Formats: sequence, C-alpha cells, structure tokens
Amino acid sequence: GAVVSQHPSWVICKSGTSVKIECRSLDFQATTMFWYRQFPKQSLMLMATSNEGSKATYEQGVEKDKFLINHASLTLSTLTVTSAHPEDSSFYICSASLRSIYNSPLHFGNGTRLTVT
Amino acid sequence: QQPVQSPQAVILREGEDAVINCSSSKALYSVHWYRQKHGEAPVFLMILLKGGEQKGHEKISASFNEKKQQSSLYLTASQLSYSGTYFCGLTQGGSEKLVFGKGTKLTVNP
Repeated sequence: GAVVSQHPSWVICKSGTSVKIECRSLDFQATTMFWYRQFPKQSLMLMATSNEGSKATYEQGVEKDKFLINHASLTLSTLTVTSAHPEDSSFYICSASLRSIYNSPLHFGNGTRLTVT
Repeated sequence: QQPVQSPQAVILREGEDAVINCSSSKALYSVHWYRQKHGEAPVFLMILLKGGEQKGHEKISASFNEKKQQSSLYLTASQLSYSGTYFCGLTQGGSEKLVFGKGTKLTVNP
C-alpha cells in the first residue's frame, strides 16, 4: 500500500516553455503532498507543501509564480514549471504521507528529471 | 533548519560496520531515515519518535537522543545492497514538514 505515482519520469523542454508534472496517490487519499527538488549529488530541498483544496505553502526562496502547484483532489497534485530556464533543470520528486509525518513515513514518487535546453 | 549529517561519505568493505550521525540545533520531534540509490526515489527505512527510542530493521538500527538533539543510524555487517546515500529528515514542533540533511554517501565494496 501507499503508492505514489509521478509522471512523466523525464522531460526535455526548450527554454521559455512550461512543463507540468503530475503526482498521484494510487491507493490512499493524500490531504497533503510535498514537492522536493534535488540537484545532482545534493540534498532533497522542500519546495512547497500542497494542500487539497487550498493554496500551497511555499518555502522561502521558491517563486510561487514560477512553480505553480495545484492540488485539485485528494489523489492528485500537479507542479507546473512556468517559463522554464536551464537553471530549473533538476530532479523533482513528490511525496505524500498516510498520516502526520511526525510518526508516518513519506512515500515518494519515482521523480521527474527535467532538462531545459 | 537543515540537520547536519556526518560523515559526508564512507567507504566500507562488505561485512564492515558504519555509523551515520544526524544532529540539529533545534528541538526535535521525530527523525526519519531514508536511503536513496542513484537516479531513484528515496526509500523509507525507519522513524524514531521523541522519547529516546531505538529501532532495528534487520542489520540496520537507529537511536534518537532527544536531549542531545541527535540521531544515529547503525549499519552492521554491511552488504553490497546497502550502498547509496542516506538522508535523515527531521520534524520540528508546529511544522508539518520534513527537512532533510545533506546526506551521507555509503559505498560498500566486495
């Protein structure tokens, strides 16, 4: 149980275009989903917390207008990278938890490798 | 605030032991440990809660010292499959989010 599916696995886009990444919880309802970004050989940096039916909470330094997050249902959250630039190239991973992350693990999607040319 | 992990990297021979440490300057509520292999998503290992508990998972165990605000991950009799980058993640009071350390790269050689 607790499977998180992320799509696409990889995407290559041209500078200036937008890319949408989907994150679905397949066998549970996720009130909250978390979006992380990981640069090569670096840590998982939390970008934003996505809450179903409300606005996402962004971490300091993450541009809200650039990284649009929509959590329209209890099983789907999307991250749209708008007007992508080469510096946005990274590994984006979504995650969700069955209960409070205080005592419940995060279940990660397989990640999306974004390359902006 | 990002937890501090040490060491940054460790190289072992199969069968050897290792300890990875994770500390924070802020009060901790719980500690998560994950392992990530290259190009893959992190995989959950264990959670430790306030109260100074210890946990074990086969030959991988961990401890949580609330007073010292640190946790340690113990890998005994390492196997080749243990290779990867280990991350600790911390939850802190009043915040429903997990902040990860920079990771410890573990390489187990035959």
